[in-house]
Amino acid sequence: DVKVTQSSRYLVKRTGEKVFLECVQDMDHENMFWYRQDPGLGLRLIYFSYDVKMKEKGDIPEGYSVSREKKERFSLILESASTNQTSMYLCASSSLAMTSGSLLETQYFGPGTRLLVL
Amino acid sequence: GNSVTQMEGPVTLSEEAFLTINCTYTATGYPSLFWYVQYPGEGLQLLLKATKADDKGSNKGFEATYRKETTSFHLEKGSVQVSDSAVYFCALGGRDDKIIFGKGTRLHILP
Repeated sequence: DVKVTQSSRYLVKRTGEKVFLECVQDMDHENMFWYRQDPGLGLRLIYFSYDVKMKEKGDIPEGYSVSREKKERFSLILESASTNQTSMYLCASSSLAMTSGSLLETQYFGPGTRLLVL
Repeated sequence: GNSVTQMEGPVTLSEEAFLTINCTYTATGYPSLFWYVQYPGEGLQLLLKATKADDKGSNKGFEATYRKETTSFHLEKGSVQVSDSAVYFCALGGRDDKIIFGKGTRLHILP
C-alpha cells in the first residue's frame, strides 16, 4: 500500500513564526502536492513538484514556499505565519500509471495537518 | 479551463436509503474522473475512478459511470450505512494535468 505521512496531525503556532510542514511518501512517486482545505472552498493547490529540486506554483502560493531536496520528502514552509493560514493542510503524491490503455494519475493523500495560527 | 461542480451538502439520509451525489464537469479532451472520500479526521482516499466514456468505477458498493454526453460522473450507492458518513469529492485529471477537485459534499447517515 502507498503510504504518505505528515509530520504532525495538529499544530498551534503564533503569528509571525516560521512553520515547517513535512510530508514523506514511500512509493517512489515523482509527483508531490500540497493543498489546503477550508470549509466551503474545498481543496486548493498551493504548490506541487514533479521532480527533486523542482517546484511549481499552484493556485494559491502566496505566503508559502516549498522544498524538495529528496524524492520522498516535500516540505511546505510558512515564512511568517498569519491567522488566515489557519487551515487543514493535505499532502499528496502520485505517479502516472498505465490503466486500461490510458495513462492515469491517481493521487494518494496523507492524513492532514490541522494548523491553528494564533 | 477544466472545472468540476458537485452538489452542495450536507446531504442527510437514513440508513439503507439510496444515495446519489451529482457531479458534472467541464473539460477539454478526455479527462480521467475520480471520486475521493474523506472520513472524519483523515486525509482523502481514492474511492473509485474511470478513465474513458461509459466506464463504470465501483468500490465498497459505490458506483459512478463516466457519461460523456451529459459530462457527468454521479456517485450512487443502493443502501448506505452509518459508516459511509464522510465528505465526498469529485475530481478530474489528465495525463499531465493537475487534478481538479470539486468543493466536496458532506454526507450524514442517520441510524
